[in-house]
Amino acid sequence: GESVGLHLPTLSVQEGDNSIINCAYSNSASDYFIWYKQESGKGPQFIIDIRSNMDKRQGQRVTVLLNKTVKHLSLQIAATQPGDSAVYFCAENPTGNTPLVFGKGTRLSVIA
Amino acid sequence: DTAVSQTPKYLVTQMGNDKSIKCEQNLGHDTMYWYKQDSKKFLKIMFSYNNKELIINETVPNRFSPKSPDKAHLNLHINSLELGDSAVYFCASSRQGLGNTIYFGEGSWLTVV
Repeated sequence: GESVGLHLPTLSVQEGDNSIINCAYSNSASDYFIWYKQESGKGPQFIIDIRSNMDKRQGQRVTVLLNKTVKHLSLQIAATQPGDSAVYFCAENPTGNTPLVFGKGTRLSVIA
Repeated sequence: DTAVSQTPKYLVTQMGNDKSIKCEQNLGHDTMYWYKQDSKKFLKIMFSYNNKELIINETVPNRFSPKSPDKAHLNLHINSLELGDSAVYFCASSRQGLGNTIYFGEGSWLTVV
């Protein structure tokens, strides 16, 4: 079946460094992608999204890059802070009227 | 001003009991969901309702029964709880139709002993 996967299950970065969290997706028909952040004891929170007609989208300290050629999605966090420590999920919309498919998550640990 | 709220947040119960988790959203969304998150953080959809109508019913034991009295509420009732039901259950909502951004509640931690 179609799936969304992550290259790195855990990622440790020094405070102040940039973080890059990667996600590989397998459904070339997916047209909408979202990154979620889940802090300990909380529900996943929307961070940023991108549609398939874009390659890049920037938010506050976060940037999502989409490479449709290799079906790869990444989340870049600039100047990583301790508050960025969380599990990050990518999610894709495979077709128009199906629920989002979530990846397995990457745990980001920020070292002070 | 909580967007998606679910209760209880923590629930410890014995095997064989019946329990319910309630969920309400004040975002005006038409579609609501229940997700289960296992110990490895994998999020698996269980059910989805659109305007009180069931539209997704994944392979879930029939001990799990969702109920949507109106489009702002989606409750989850679980009969005859088993050890394997221990997990975090997330309620969520989105604008009408699947594939839209999903907004999650804070989760309900269920432990079956």
